[in-house]
Amino acid sequence: AAGVIQSPRHLIKEKRETATLKCYPIPRHDTVYWYQQGPGQDPQFLISFYEKMQSDKGSIPDRFSAQQFSDYHSELNMSSLELGDSALYFCASSDRANEQFFGPGTRLTVL
Amino acid sequence: AQSVTQLGSHVSVSEGALVLLRCNYSSSVPPYLFWYVQYPNQGLQLLLKYTSAATLVKGINGFEAEFKKSETSFHLTKPSAHMSDAAEYFCAVTGAGNMLTFGGGTRLMVKP
Repeated sequence: AAGVIQSPRHLIKEKRETATLKCYPIPRHDTVYWYQQGPGQDPQFLISFYEKMQSDKGSIPDRFSAQQFSDYHSELNMSSLELGDSALYFCASSDRANEQFFGPGTRLTVL
Repeated sequence: AQSVTQLGSHVSVSEGALVLLRCNYSSSVPPYLFWYVQYPNQGLQLLLKYTSAATLVKGINGFEAEFKKSETSFHLTKPSAHMSDAAEYFCAVTGAGNMLTFGGGTRLMVKP
């Protein structure tokens, strides 16, 4: 069965650079969630989209923005990167069944 | 608002022994509860979920969990641990919004 696809899987950036993470949800899933998991920590909700509109917002820094496109894929844009942004970024998608399916994650390292 | 507390950041059991991972939740609305497993350097895989149907929920890999409203608990159990069960386990809750709030995680270690 098709799963959530995230790209890239690994990303290395310098401080103050920008990064774009992409998420392709499971076909026919209309909701996308973004989570950030720091080293040794639990995942923290960042933001979600339903039918291309932002639906909920969590602890997402102002330096980050995200959107969901007409084909339902989503992109998380991160600017002015800081060392503390180094983390595993997960995307999850769901339909109306309230079950979120997670992608493999993008590991961002900021040097 | 909702929150999850997982008692014990590390749990060690012998192979073949009972696995018990504890989760207590707080939610201002009837909760949906989930257990996820994360293997090293991998994503989160859903083990099981409670969505207000049967209080005893069976999941994959022989795991099950019981929703106890009076105790605000959703503990995860498995009768007999296998070496392949060694991983990080997260309990999570959704409330009014559909975003997941995770507990701090419990690392399960299985000794031969």
